[in-house]
Parts: sequence; structure tokens; C-alpha cells
Amino acid sequence: DAGVIQSPRHEVTEMGQEVTLRCKPISGHNSLFWYRQTMMRGLELLIYFNNNVPIDDSGMPEDRFSAKMPNASFSTLKIQPSEPRDSAVYFCASSLSVGELFFGEGSRLTVL
Amino acid sequence: QQQVKQSPQSLIVQKGGISIINCAYENTAFDYFPWYQQFPGKGPALLIAIRPDVSEKKEGRFTISFNKSAKQFSLHIMDSQPGDSATYFCAARSRSGYSTLTFGKGTMLLVSP
Repeated sequence: DAGVIQSPRHEVTEMGQEVTLRCKPISGHNSLFWYRQTMMRGLELLIYFNNNVPIDDSGMPEDRFSAKMPNASFSTLKIQPSEPRDSAVYFCASSLSVGELFFGEGSRLTVL
Repeated sequence: QQQVKQSPQSLIVQKGGISIINCAYENTAFDYFPWYQQFPGKGPALLIAIRPDVSEKKEGRFTISFNKSAKQFSLHIMDSQPGDSATYFCAARSRSGYSTLTFGKGTMLLVSP
């Protein structure tokens, strides 16, 4: 069975550019999460969707970050404009209700 | 506000030794305590989990010990192997509403051959 699929796996961009990260959750899962991982702050929850509806976006750093889930099989995390401090590994995870979280392999973002 | 404090930040253990990672929490509403394992270049994956109605859970070489009164829980890896070298995250989730996992900052474990 396919797990959570994220793209791109690696992204290098220049400050000020728009970045879009994509996620396909596991089929049948109704909860989707975006996490950011850095050495300093560990794993931070950015936003949580349940049945495609954003439930908690309190972790989104600022207005430069936005996330959408137009349907049950696709979500995007967009950063516009990007800044060097946004450099991190971004993980998407999905679950069935409040069950086990299944993570994707992450998108490593470097903003120069 | 860090709700789950994890220690140590890094750990080196010899092959065959016992690895111990500790976590402490503050929110008494937490009712689910999983541990996730992450290998380089991969996402975290669930390793083992415990609920506060038991004090210990064992799965193979991995054991969670839970102390509800002290609000602490720990992961013990018996007979540690080089293949156990990874980053380990403790986490906790409350029982209220749409609850999400709060992760500790992680422990990088290196098991030397």
C-alpha cells in the first residue's frame, strides 16, 4: 500500500520566491497534518485538517504560510514570500481520526 | 510553551547495552503517549505507545515505563543494536476535542558496534 506521498523531496529556492509543497495522504484517512522539523525546535505542528476542514492553524508561523486541502486526497502548504529562516524539513502526516500518525518522507526546503 | 520535555538530546550506547530516554509532561489531560522512531531521510514512524491506565508496556526489546503521579514516561531499549541508531521522539495527546500530538524535541541515539 502507498504511504503518505510528498513532493518535492528537495527544494532549493531564493529568498522572496513562492514555495509550494504537496501531499497525498493515505487513502481513507480523514485527518491530515503538516509539521515542520528543525534542529532547534524539533517537530512543530503547523496545521491540522479533519475531513478537509482546517481545525487548528495556530502553529502557522505567519501570514506568509498558507495551507489548503481541496479534497480528501490532496493538500498543499505554500510559503510566499519565502525567507531563509523557513529552511527546514516539512512533513505531511495522515491518520484515521485520532489514530496512529503516518508520516511522509518529508520535503527538505532550503531558502538561500 | 514546551509541553513535553525530552532528555537526553543525544545518547551513545554500546551494542548490547540499555538505552534509556526520558520524557516529562505538564498537561494532566494527556491520555496517550506514543514513541516515534525516525531514521535519517525518513519520516517518523510509530514505535510503541501507552495509555495512562498501565505502568508498563513491552514490545520485543522496547519497553515504555509510565509514572502517572510524576508525569513522566520513558523508553527503554534492551540489548541495543546498531540498527536502533535513529532519532526517537516521545509525544503526548490530550483527550479533549480535536486533539493533536505534541512532540518532544527528540533524542539522537547512536549504538556503537
